[in-house]
Amino acid sequence: QVQLQESGPGLVKPSETLSLTCAVSGSSISSGSYWAWIRQSPGKGLDWIGSIYHSGHTYHNPSLKSRVTISVDTSKNQFSLNLRSVTAADTAQYFCARDPTGTGTAYFDIWGQGTLVTVSS
Amino acid sequence: SYELTQPPSVSVSPGQTASIACSGDNLGEKHVCWYRQKPGQSPVLVIYHDTRRPSGIPERFSGSNSGNTATLTISGTQAMDEAYYYCQTWHITMVFGGGTNLTVL
Repeated sequence: QVQLQESGPGLVKPSETLSLTCAVSGSSISSGSYWAWIRQSPGKGLDWIGSIYHSGHTYHNPSLKSRVTISVDTSKNQFSLNLRSVTAADTAQYFCARDPTGTGTAYFDIWGQGTLVTVSS
Repeated sequence: SYELTQPPSVSVSPGQTASIACSGDNLGEKHVCWYRQKPGQSPVLVIYHDTRRPSGIPERFSGSNSGNTATLTISGTQAMDEAYYYCQTWHITMVFGGGTNLTVL
């Protein structure tokens, strides 16, 4: 079955760049799905960061767009998130997820286990 | 910006029906989905396209969407259904509700 696995540093210093990768297994990243990043601050709700198609087409949360780059590497079957100029407010559990509909605007049927990123000096 | 509003908490007795509302402007004109999240776990999709259940989700989970309100209904609620529930839709951007803590007691 399709599985997603996030990886990256658990600790990032303020003003630096948070970089995460999501490895996709059990399916080709070029299968016609969109692939997304979603975060959840401690004790808070879900916050969508953005989504990407294998072609490179992206949707972004307008509130984060100026600091976010989402990219895809089809040869490695993975996609990545870069979040620049982080502050303590970016401390969160970061999830990757799949939108299987090919629209990028629907729903997420598969989620990774999440990775906690703490922003602190 | 578009907002989805959920009650912070809902309580239900075991075996009874739980209803969790999600409200937004003209929400009935959009597609809504619902996720269940237990502590320390990733969200799980329980309803998509307003009323559809993914495979593996029990029949006691159902959804509706009309007017300004979408509703997740859990019939014959069990202790294992205790969790946070989030609604989600698309309006220019992906929007999540604030979440509802369902307590089964």
